Amino acid sequence: GQQLNQSPQSMFIQEGEDVSMNCTSSSIFNTWLWYKQDPGEGPVLLIALYKAGELTSNGRLTAQFGITRKDSFLNISASIPSDVGIYFCAGQLRSGGSNYKLTFGKGTLLTVNP
Amino acid sequence: DAGITQSPRHKVTETGTPVTLRCHQTENHRYMYWYRQDPGHGLRLIHYSYGVKDTDKGEVSDGYSVSRSKTEDFLLTLESATSSQTSVYFCAISKLGQPNTEAFFGQGTRLTVV
Repeated sequence: GQQLNQSPQSMFIQEGEDVSMNCTSSSIFNTWLWYKQDPGEGPVLLIALYKAGELTSNGRLTAQFGITRKDSFLNISASIPSDVGIYFCAGQLRSGGSNYKLTFGKGTLLTVNP
Repeated sequence: DAGITQSPRHKVTETGTPVTLRCHQTENHRYMYWYRQDPGHGLRLIHYSYGVKDTDKGEVSDGYSVSRSKTEDFLLTLESATSSQTSVYFCAISKLGQPNTEAFFGQGTRLTVV
């Protein structure tokens, strides 16, 4: 099946630093989604991207849909302790007929040291 | 919250017993998904549904079955639970395939098979 390669697997940063993570795939996606998961909770949607080249911000978060439609990145600026968590990318593609499938990366574990 | 309820939230069961997890939505979304989350593997798709009585397998479907007899409910059944099925299970819903679609997650069910 389709695979999303998400990197890095984990990051340890100091409060105030900027963070960048990305996802790549061999498949072309028509939607990219970025999620954050806190311990004991379900993933929560941060940013959704629908067009190749699209750059979207949500507060200190910025994400881009790659021009090739095979990659996406997420940047977090001026990190704070509550940014700690697991960040997932997800890509949507048509799986046949009018059906669609959502595939997830394996996540990036972010640790922020105060 | 996106109107998704998973039940039970926690369950301990014995090897060889049947287990059914329930996902209930109030959003009338077409797509519903079951994922399992394990350390080092991220979110892996078990089964998904693209309409009432319409389901398809995901990447880790062995040992699981699903049913969707009405739009709002998606059931995941472990016919004979095994220790390898100890995991956290997440349900997600989406209107995938349409403009501005997003997938929303429930809070998860922690299943322990002893």
